[in-house]
Amino acid sequence: NAGVTQTPKFQVLKTGQSMTLQCAQDMNHNSMYWYRQDPGMGLRLIYYSASEGTTDKGEVPNGYNVSRLNKREFSLRLESAAPSQTSVYFCASSETVLVSGANVLTFGAGSRLTVL
Amino acid sequence: RKEVEQDPGPFNVPEGATVAFNCTYSNSASQSFFWYRQDCRKEPKLLMSVYSSGNEDGRFTAQLNRASQYISLLIRDSKLSDSATYLCVVNIPNYGGSQGNLIFGKGTKLSVKP
Repeated sequence: NAGVTQTPKFQVLKTGQSMTLQCAQDMNHNSMYWYRQDPGMGLRLIYYSASEGTTDKGEVPNGYNVSRLNKREFSLRLESAAPSQTSVYFCASSETVLVSGANVLTFGAGSRLTVL
Repeated sequence: RKEVEQDPGPFNVPEGATVAFNCTYSNSASQSFFWYRQDCRKEPKLLMSVYSSGNEDGRFTAQLNRASQYISLLIRDSKLSDSATYLCVVNIPNYGGSQGNLIFGKGTKLSVKP
């Protein structure tokens, strides 16, 4: 099983360009998430989707949009990239948002984005 | 943001040493606690969940102290392969208006030397 797959793994953008990060999971999980990780900041939640057809803002949603395309796929879009969005982006999934000992987050391998 | 705090380290220890990490959390309503491991330039992976009674998995022991609002991770007989960053993760109910949100600490870096 692939688990959580993210594309692309690396991307360099110029300020103002747009791009979409793709994420797909094959674990039949209901909930999916997008995090960003910056040095000294830890992982921060951008958006999440509790179930197919719903999306909600996390801690740092400004400058991003998301689409839960179906149960498997959750994409993150940067409409007009800014240098402050240079980061490592992780997609994750779990059975539900009520993460517990029996229901944990599984992460994708990450997407490294640089905005010049 | 101080919901979850960890000593960033780095902890530099020799092989075979015992090392302990602590993590404090601010929300007394938190119900779920975890330790994740993150290798350099890799994704975080669950190391272990932390239960009220404490739990052990081989060389790793996790404990929860609700009264003092901290969790700990003890690694015995450290191996070179234990070198990684250890992330403390706490569920904060209704954080930011969501149904429940996991807050990640910034991580504690461990380096095990020969």
